[in-house]
Amino acid sequence: DAGVTQSPTHLIKTRGQQVTLRCSPKSGHDTVSWYQQALGQGPQFIFQYYEEEERQRGNFPDRFSGHQFPNYSSELNVNALLLGDSALYLCASSRDTSGGYQETQYFGPGTRLLVL
Amino acid sequence: GQNIDQPTEMTATEGAIVQINCTYQTSGFNGLFWYQQHAGEAPTFLSYNVLDGLEEKGRFSSFLSRSKGYSYLLLKELQMKDSASYLCAVRGTAGGSYIPTFGRGTSLIVHP
Repeated sequence: DAGVTQSPTHLIKTRGQQVTLRCSPKSGHDTVSWYQQALGQGPQFIFQYYEEEERQRGNFPDRFSGHQFPNYSSELNVNALLLGDSALYLCASSRDTSGGYQETQYFGPGTRLLVL
Repeated sequence: GQNIDQPTEMTATEGAIVQINCTYQTSGFNGLFWYQQHAGEAPTFLSYNVLDGLEEKGRFSSFLSRSKGYSYLLLKELQMKDSASYLCAVRGTAGGSYIPTFGRGTSLIVHP
């Protein structure tokens, strides 16, 4: 049973560029959440996708956008990269039971993004 | 909103017991999670508490008091591999949201 997978593992970009990160959820999970984790901080919630739609969003600008595909995999896109976007980007999957309630989230290995 | 507070760093000796505290303020409460995160890796799920009391799972136990907005993670028989960051996350119910909010994490250093 494959867990949550993410690609790429590492990425280096320059300011102003755009980046796309990918996530495949754990088998049986239908909900994908994205988090940004700066060094020495806890994960900060970016947004969550369920049924191919953005269900919840954290306090992140519109430069951060996403998508969920019919097979539940997801992408995180960041436009106009800033130095401050350098962080570990984590994908977490869970199973929606009813009314938006989800079971425990399981995290992927993350993508470490460095913006120069 | 939610506010979560946990110590920044703790040190302990191999074989000893350590207790990592977490206090929180939340609009509604729908569970508290503990995750372990080794440097450069993803958080891994340790425990989930939604009712008051102690949940034991091997060398790790987690306690919750909802009335006090307080939880702790207890690690027994510490091993060097337990050196990691321990994240406390609280799931509130404000606005129908079930997204956990994470604390900054407690960096635990286990020395021989």
